[in-house]
Amino acid sequence: NAGVTQTPKFQVLKTGQSMTLQCAQDMNHEYMSWYRQDPGMGLRLIHYSVGAGITDQGEVPNGYNVSRSTTEDFPLRLLSAAPSQTSVYFCASTTPSGGSLGYTFGSGTRLTVV
Amino acid sequence: GQSLEQPSEVTAVEGAIVQINCTYQTSGFYGLSWYQQHDGGAPTFLSYNGLDGLEETGRFSSFLSRSDSYGYLLLQELQMKDSASYFCAVRKGGANNLFFGTGTRLTVIP
Repeated sequence: NAGVTQTPKFQVLKTGQSMTLQCAQDMNHEYMSWYRQDPGMGLRLIHYSVGAGITDQGEVPNGYNVSRSTTEDFPLRLLSAAPSQTSVYFCASTTPSGGSLGYTFGSGTRLTVV
Repeated sequence: GQSLEQPSEVTAVEGAIVQINCTYQTSGFYGLSWYQQHDGGAPTFLSYNGLDGLEETGRFSSFLSRSDSYGYLLLQELQMKDSASYFCAVRKGGANNLFFGTGTRLTVIP
């Protein structure tokens, strides 16, 4: 049981480049979300999905797109990378009653935009 | 929106007890969660309080008072491996989203 798998683990982008951060879970969780973590700011919600075909914006969605074509996968797309998007990105998943069961987080993608 | 406040740093002695407080302001409150994160690692789930009172899981306990918009995480018999950052997070109704505080860095000293 792999849990939540994120790829790549590290990435360096040039300003203006685009890329997709991959996230896959094998727990049949309906809910998936993306967070970014910056020093001293905790985790901030970017986008989330309550099931295949359904996505919505979180606290800081600008500059990011998501899609959810399957239950397992929830990729995050950076449209035109900016230095302000340098951060650690975490994908998480849970069941509909996940508050009490907790979120399962991936190991993160450390992104640097130069 | 929502806001959560927790101390930025706490230092405690190995074997002792430490309490990390969290106060929150939010609409649509469902419950309060706690997560642990070691440096360079992913957050891991510790506990959840949906109702007022104390929840105990081994050496860790968590408390919630909805009327005071306040909770805390209690760590007993501290071990060196407990040195990490601890985040409180409010669970909001509807989509089951979690919103995190800025974290408390716990340092356990010998």
